[in-house]
Amino acid sequence: RKEVEQDPGPFNVPEGATVAFNCTYSNSASQSFFWYRQDCRKEPKLLMSVYSSGNEDGRFTAQLNRASQYISLLIRDSKLSDSATYLCAVINSGTYKYIFGTGTRLKVLA
Amino acid sequence: EPEVTQTPSHQVTQMGQEVILRCVPISNHLYFYWYRQILGQKVEFLVSFYNNEISEKSEIFDDQFSVERPDGSNFTLKIRSTKLEDSAMYFCASIVGDLTNEKLFFGSGTQLSVL
Repeated sequence: RKEVEQDPGPFNVPEGATVAFNCTYSNSASQSFFWYRQDCRKEPKLLMSVYSSGNEDGRFTAQLNRASQYISLLIRDSKLSDSATYLCAVINSGTYKYIFGTGTRLKVLA
Repeated sequence: EPEVTQTPSHQVTQMGQEVILRCVPISNHLYFYWYRQILGQKVEFLVSFYNNEISEKSEIFDDQFSVERPDGSNFTLKIRSTKLEDSAMYFCASIVGDLTNEKLFFGSGTQLSVL
């Protein structure tokens, strides 16, 4: 089983739609979780950290489910500018190595 | 916002040649990383560096690779004898290094093309 798994997509959604992505991780000792956004041929940019209690930043909501070992990202009221690849990243306990998923590609259509 | 700076943005080299990719991490950061991303694939961990030594490395980071922090600001990745399969985008990244602020910041990358 891969350490971090994501559905590669693409998810094609109309503007204004709500879309959700999941990311599963295999190591129960994983301690920190993040969502990154990556535009084509650009560097990943931090979108948000994922806290145990869940967190929200504008139209974006991230949640962590430790029991089932996944994190989720919800995007409400999708904009054309949200089109990108969304990467989840995990850090395991005792290490500072960030492990990335393959990313989920989102296309928001006019 | 502080930035991680990478040079060059593009590097073209012949197979078997040595390349050095350069990075200037954010000044108060303590952990430095190199990642690579082959076109269409995932962002892969290569190596982390802390306190002037390698902290962790992946299976990809074999004897052909080395990292250095030659002075107080630069952080370099050297590939001694490049192979075709080394063609990828190489990202430098850094974090502050305390447990309360683990956000990883990436540079804009160096696109390495091995011919």
